[in-house]
Amino acid sequence: QSVLTQPPSVSAAPGQKVIISCSGSSSNIGNNYVSWYQQLPGTAPKLLIYDNNKRPSGIPDRFSGSKSGTSATLGITGLQTGDEADYYCGTWDSSLSANWVFGGGTKLTVL
Amino acid sequence: EVQLLESGGGLVRPGGSLRLSCAASGFTFSRYAMSWVRQAPGKGLEWVSGISGSGGSTYYADSVKGRFTISRDNSKNTLYLQMNSLRAEDTAIYYCAKVIEGSSWYRIPGFDYWGQGTLVTVSS
Repeated sequence: QSVLTQPPSVSAAPGQKVIISCSGSSSNIGNNYVSWYQQLPGTAPKLLIYDNNKRPSGIPDRFSGSKSGTSATLGITGLQTGDEADYYCGTWDSSLSANWVFGGGTKLTVL
Repeated sequence: EVQLLESGGGLVRPGGSLRLSCAASGFTFSRYAMSWVRQAPGKGLEWVSGISGSGGSTYYADSVKGRFTISRDNSKNTLYLQMNSLRAEDTAIYYCAKVIEGSSWYRIPGFDYWGQGTLVTVSS
């Protein structure tokens, strides 16, 4: 079981909006920055969002991030078939034995 | 352009050893902490190990502590992962990843560049 909880799957139609949640605790999300990664089938993960809501150069503004308390969300608007991928949240965990932790991942299906 | 190129994966028997390498280019290697992340077949991402920019501080997930050793050679811009006492559950694609900013491995903000990965299969 992952320290960070994500829904296993979400789906939406092209052009629609989807939100992916990531739930943690005070030892991780509550006191640290969250980042989000997109993994297209058969490829390496790619950074989408860092510091809760910042986008690296080249990431379209259709992707957004937010954090409140011990939860974070990734929003994707104007869904495209090319957005079908696995999405992972990640953050530092300040507990005794953990360092960096990932969520279990969410499979996005664009219907 | 930042590039990370892993190598060294392959098939190994349970109990065996393997050393992975990650050749970095396009950035000042020694100024950034680095990490190894793995992904078992059909599973999610799992953080494995991290190292400071100087190489003086290393960190491990409980699942690999005492069996894996992370290191780096800043003169060669290369990151390593020595894996000993390998188990079937270590079977995964292993990615090296560059920390977004900073050479310290503490409350890192995440990973901005990833290699293509190298497959490690532990099987008899």
